[in-house]
Amino acid sequence: IAGITQAPTSQILAAGRRMTLRCTQDMRHNAMYWYRQDLGLGLRLIHYSNTAGTTGKGEVPDGYSVSRANTDDFPLTLASAVPSQTSVYFCASSSDLNTEAFFGQGTRLTVV
Amino acid sequence: QQPVQSPQAVILREGEDAVINCSSSKALYSVHWYRQKHGEAPVFLMILLKGGEQKGHEKISASFNEKKQQSSLYLTASQLSYSGTYFCGTEITFGSGTSYDKVIFGPGTSLSVIP
Repeated sequence: IAGITQAPTSQILAAGRRMTLRCTQDMRHNAMYWYRQDLGLGLRLIHYSNTAGTTGKGEVPDGYSVSRANTDDFPLTLASAVPSQTSVYFCASSSDLNTEAFFGQGTRLTVV
Repeated sequence: QQPVQSPQAVILREGEDAVINCSSSKALYSVHWYRQKHGEAPVFLMILLKGGEQKGHEKISASFNEKKQQSSLYLTASQLSYSGTYFCGTEITFGSGTSYDKVIFGPGTSLSVIP
């Protein structure tokens, strides 16, 4: 089934550790995004990529990095996790700007 | 700049109507609406583009007032399945020297439909 897959679905992580959240889509979408969702704050954009090989910063990029080596994959890395990065992380993709975005099922990350 | 949504929460009885508003302090190029049910991923409802074009596939209507920099989502004859959190997203351009546009979401409006 075509779609967007995130891994892991949940993770408990010790503060200071490095962690990579994986995101893969098989829809050949050009654009991909990472959001974090916290109660009362909605979905906040962390990083985005409009096409393979390019990335950009969103609203809350500090402490996170991304890469887009190919069309399908868009991993999000926390270099040294802190408790404030406890959140639900959603990856999304869209074929182009101004088009419907498809979201993954999310990764629930707890940093202790 | 995160858009503002109102109300924060609303409770409806089945069959009642609701309006969810979204406003921005910046000029809007497009407005995107999504619904998220508890524990699930957000799902696309509609995109409204500057100039009046509208793209969507749900039986939900919306308006986009470019001059007032706001959009409204109209839910008529609500059903239990309409319950969830509704997010509006506005398309802006960051001042990074690129022409890329991204969707910035508001904090959401929680809608509960009860029998």
